[in-house]
Amino acid sequence: DQQVKQNSPSLSVQEGRISILNCDYTNSMFDYFLWYKKYPAEGPTFLISISSIKDKNEDGRFTVFLNKSAKHLSLHIVPSQPGDSAVYFCAASDNNNDMRFGAGTRLTVKP
Amino acid sequence: GAGVSQSPRYKVAKRGQDVALRCDPISGHVSLFWYQQALGQGPEFLTYFQNEAQLDKSGLPSDRFFAERPEGSVSTLKIQRTQQEDSAVYLCASSLVSWDSMEGNSPLHFGNGTRLTVT
Repeated sequence: DQQVKQNSPSLSVQEGRISILNCDYTNSMFDYFLWYKKYPAEGPTFLISISSIKDKNEDGRFTVFLNKSAKHLSLHIVPSQPGDSAVYFCAASDNNNDMRFGAGTRLTVKP
Repeated sequence: GAGVSQSPRYKVAKRGQDVALRCDPISGHVSLFWYQQALGQGPEFLTYFQNEAQLDKSGLPSDRFFAERPEGSVSTLKIQRTQQEDSAVYLCASSLVSWDSMEGNSPLHFGNGTRLTVT
């Protein structure tokens, strides 16, 4: 069963514009959410996280929003840069020795 | 470097062969995870170690899969009698603190993975 879903396999935006990547989850026990970024032939690298006690976390150009009632989180990148082009994975955990990942969204930022 | 190191980077095995994949976590990291990532999918949890103790192996797909971390640092994922469906990227990740004590501020650090192709 897919407990973490990224319904958009790809997204293309213009440099300088906002990129919004979405993620939905089904397990209400998840209390920690992360976004990972992955370049080809490399492992995922941690980008930003948010715990369930917050609804927003910001780090430079990256902001993650959490809507617990909707079981939805999103990653905003403003302004988008060509170097942001990568696959972005949403992940969620309930502290039970497991972290569930979405299938990823491939972001392309065009110059 | 100080990151998670995995070897080999690529492995081609004939169906029925045994393979061993190695993970060197970041020094001092307590938690170690193995994930399997099929093409076009997100990483799928396989197993978790807290130091040398394997606390969760619920994600291992069959008894052909075996993981160990005997001294609480380096870990090996072994796949016996490989099958074509085992073809995937195997990712190792480590984290500084034990997973069950995490308060949401110790993310996993991933290695670059081992791409296994079973022919």
